[in-house]
Amino acid sequence: AQTVTQSQPEMSVQEAETVTLSCTYDTSENNYYLFWYKQPPSRQMILVIRQEAYKQQNATENRFSVNFQKAAKSFSLKISDSQLGDTAMYFCAFLDTGRRALTFGSGTRLQVQP
Amino acid sequence: SAVISQKPSRDICQRGTSLTIQCQVDSQVTMMFWYRQQPGQSLTLIATANQGSEATYESGFVIDKFPISRPNLTFSTLTVSNMSPEDSSIYLCSSIPVDTEAFFGQGTRLTVV
Repeated sequence: AQTVTQSQPEMSVQEAETVTLSCTYDTSENNYYLFWYKQPPSRQMILVIRQEAYKQQNATENRFSVNFQKAAKSFSLKISDSQLGDTAMYFCAFLDTGRRALTFGSGTRLQVQP
Repeated sequence: SAVISQKPSRDICQRGTSLTIQCQVDSQVTMMFWYRQQPGQSLTLIATANQGSEATYESGFVIDKFPISRPNLTFSTLTVSNMSPEDSSIYLCSSIPVDTEAFFGQGTRLTVV
């Protein structure tokens, strides 16, 4: 079974600064996908970024980028130029391509300070 | 992309009663997933629902407590039966219709009193 670990329950960052959220995972699979989801107070789960395990290049989406270290089973999220709207819970998630179900980490609550 | 409409968005229920949550997808999907998110916690998979077969439940979740229906490829329901205050959570449905991007309903915030 896969496990996903987020060791930072809460993080705080000043507006316009950069913050990195950590995530590690454990799996015996070779093909899988990793995700970062954002959950604002509205409860809606919003996909932030996705990484395919077979790709060595780190995914980037505008201000969001990941540092994917497959051998170390690490998948951190970097948010650059933080904005107040980035305040939310962030979940790291693993997709087992066989089961097609997501396994989530415990989440990191990010607060962007003005 | 896919849009999943989930309702109700919230409800307050008496203990011992049941609540049925509905999810409607705007496209046909093979699998739908139901998650529970307890207060301040992460999402935990309850079950996987395929059309035409019984749902597959994760450890710790049973059909008598969380019966699921999947009558067609665009619709599913989750019932929370014989509720107790411990069932107070957010319940979310999800699907991965294309490629590997998961889509979620808006969530149902359930409070049992």
